[in-house]
Amino acid sequence: QKEVEQDPGPLSVPEGAIVSLNCTYSNSAFQYFMWYRQYSRKGPELLMYTYSSGNKEDGRFTAQVDKSSKYISLFIRDSQPSDSATYLCAMSLFGNEKLTFGTGTRLTIIP
Amino acid sequence: EAGVAQSPRYKIIEKRQSVAFWCNPISGHATLYWYQQILGQGPKLLIQFQNNGVVDDSQLPKDRFSAERLKGVDSTLKIQPAKLEDSAVYLCASSFGLKETQYFGPGTRLLVL
Repeated sequence: QKEVEQDPGPLSVPEGAIVSLNCTYSNSAFQYFMWYRQYSRKGPELLMYTYSSGNKEDGRFTAQVDKSSKYISLFIRDSQPSDSATYLCAMSLFGNEKLTFGTGTRLTIIP
Repeated sequence: EAGVAQSPRYKIIEKRQSVAFWCNPISGHATLYWYQQILGQGPKLLIQFQNNGVVDDSQLPKDRFSAERLKGVDSTLKIQPAKLEDSAVYLCASSFGLKETQYFGPGTRLLVL
């Protein structure tokens, strides 16, 4: 079993829809949870960063962490074609280092 | 502010050849990371530097991979000899310090034939 599992997709949704992206993990010691966005031929960029359980909102993006279920989610509201990218979840014991990444979900927003 | 620079962007070599990648981090960033991202997978950390010292190289295949950051700024990653399974994107990232946000470069795409 991989330490972090993520549905690779691809996922295609119409513009304006709500997108839900998810990861599950097996290591209950993970404390820090991140979402990265990776455009084609580019490096990942940090989108959301959360510590422990709970929700965090930033504009159209909401990150949720449920440590009891070992499950994290990223919601994108009012999705735009510019949101088309691969979304990687990542987690760690020690903040922004020693990151364990998921495989990424490829998302396409259809205009 | 200039981002993380990497070169070359693409490289094609035959197996058993050697190859080197270069990374220039964001100015002032003390921490530098090299990741390997195989197609369809997430990035895997190969090595982490703090200034010119190695913090973590536990996942670096040391029989064929080497990396250095001699003056605590630029870094090079070398593979010698390359294997088919080394085909991947090699990403460099930097951060202001340990546990700070990592900023990634565009990566070097390596194809080993």
